[in-house]
Amino acid sequence: AQSVTQLDSHVSVSEGTPVLLRCNYSSSYSPSLFWYVQHPNKGLQLLLKYTSAATLVKGINGFEAEFKKSETSFHLTKPSAHMSDAAEYFCVVRLFSGGYNKLIFGAGTRLAVHP
Amino acid sequence: GAVVSQHPSRVICKSGTSVKIECRSLDFQATTMFWYRQFPKKSLMLMATSNEGSKATYEQGVEKDKFLINHASLTLSTLTVTSAHPEDSSFYICSASGTGVNYGYTFGSGTRLTVV
Repeated sequence: AQSVTQLDSHVSVSEGTPVLLRCNYSSSYSPSLFWYVQHPNKGLQLLLKYTSAATLVKGINGFEAEFKKSETSFHLTKPSAHMSDAAEYFCVVRLFSGGYNKLIFGAGTRLAVHP
Repeated sequence: GAVVSQHPSRVICKSGTSVKIECRSLDFQATTMFWYRQFPKKSLMLMATSNEGSKATYEQGVEKDKFLINHASLTLSTLTVTSAHPEDSSFYICSASGTGVNYGYTFGSGTRLTVV
């Protein structure tokens, strides 16, 4: 069965320092993976997605993620955190089940950014 | 880009009553819609998936008689929480997926339901 595991429930960084949000996946075949961000009282926003093309995926707002098959990982990074990056981040895998392509969410990582 | 409108954003209802939440794709035809539930500080749990004109497929553990889903058109899906109880209080989020250039997952802004 396909699933994702977000290794950290909370991450705290200082503004201007790098961000690393970790995600491991479990899949019997090459998965489609996504990162979504949820700001307080706002809807979910797609940051980036991997669908078996380039392993290094660039997203919006300076985020990127690298698909590493050998490590079954899809970690999200950003070189320099901004205060506005504080939010909940979800690693998501697409699963084909019951005739549908469904998105299955990881548990989430809450990113705090301090001045 | 693809836009999904979810309404209402907040609703408070009394125990025993029913509440309907609407999810509309504004600028594309949503062949498939998904309904999620999010508990406070928790992840999104998929409740059900539906195609236009078909019965919804519910995830294991989701009561289909309590959470009625209707996907009557390619732009509208509704979730009705029937005979609501305080434990149904939660954040409900819909997602819509189309075909072609609209193949992807666009999320509504969510509905916070409070049952008193």
